[in-house]
Amino acid sequence: DIQLTQSPSTLSAFVGDRVTITCRASQGIGTYLAWYQQKPGKAPKLLVYQASNLGSGVPSRFSGGGSGTEFTLSISSLQPDDFATYFCQQYDIHRSFGPGTKVEIK
Amino acid sequence: QVHLQESGPGLVKPSETLSLTCTVSGGSISSSSYYWGWIRQSPGKGLEWIGSIHYSGATYYYPSFKSRVTISLDTSRNQFSLRLTSVTASDTALYYCARRAGASPFNFDYWGQGTLVTVSS
Repeated sequence: DIQLTQSPSTLSAFVGDRVTITCRASQGIGTYLAWYQQKPGKAPKLLVYQASNLGSGVPSRFSGGGSGTEFTLSISSLQPDDFATYFCQQYDIHRSFGPGTKVEIK
Repeated sequence: QVHLQESGPGLVKPSETLSLTCTVSGGSISSSSYYWGWIRQSPGKGLEWIGSIHYSGATYYYPSFKSRVTISLDTSRNQFSLRLTSVTASDTALYYCARRAGASPFNFDYWGQGTLVTVSS
């Protein structure tokens, strides 16, 4: 099984801050990594796929990067709508998700 | 706009079989472009992909569920279903159905709202 870890588990930030979340895979997965955003009581929403490609309708303040075992999701200027939990997901071998990073208002 | 809706019992007894159905509207599950999957979420285990099915009938299951899970299609009703046998309390979770694109973006782009299943006697 491919295990994913995320850091930090919780992130407190102000509106307008630049934030970065890291996802690490237990083995190399190329760029077969996606990021999802989930708000309370809602299903996850696809933000990024193939490590760095934005999903449909996703604002350009979101960006993804990385390859192999280390990946990042960045938000260039945090907006009120961005306070949520973010999950990475690999799709190199089967599919598995990271534990999530909660982005909170500071 | 594609819409997915899960349905099924909210309470299942230990050792019994969990059965859920996902009804798809706004799109056909008979399209060769998509796969249809089940994902669950619980506080203890987070998000877990259970498996997916393609219109061709091909199924893909996560190894930890493979011995207990069956995903099937009902094209006449535009539905797909999940059966998970021999459930225990650890199968208590919010179960989502979702569509996965076979091409870009290769991931789950439409999800249902989720249905809570509790395993308890």
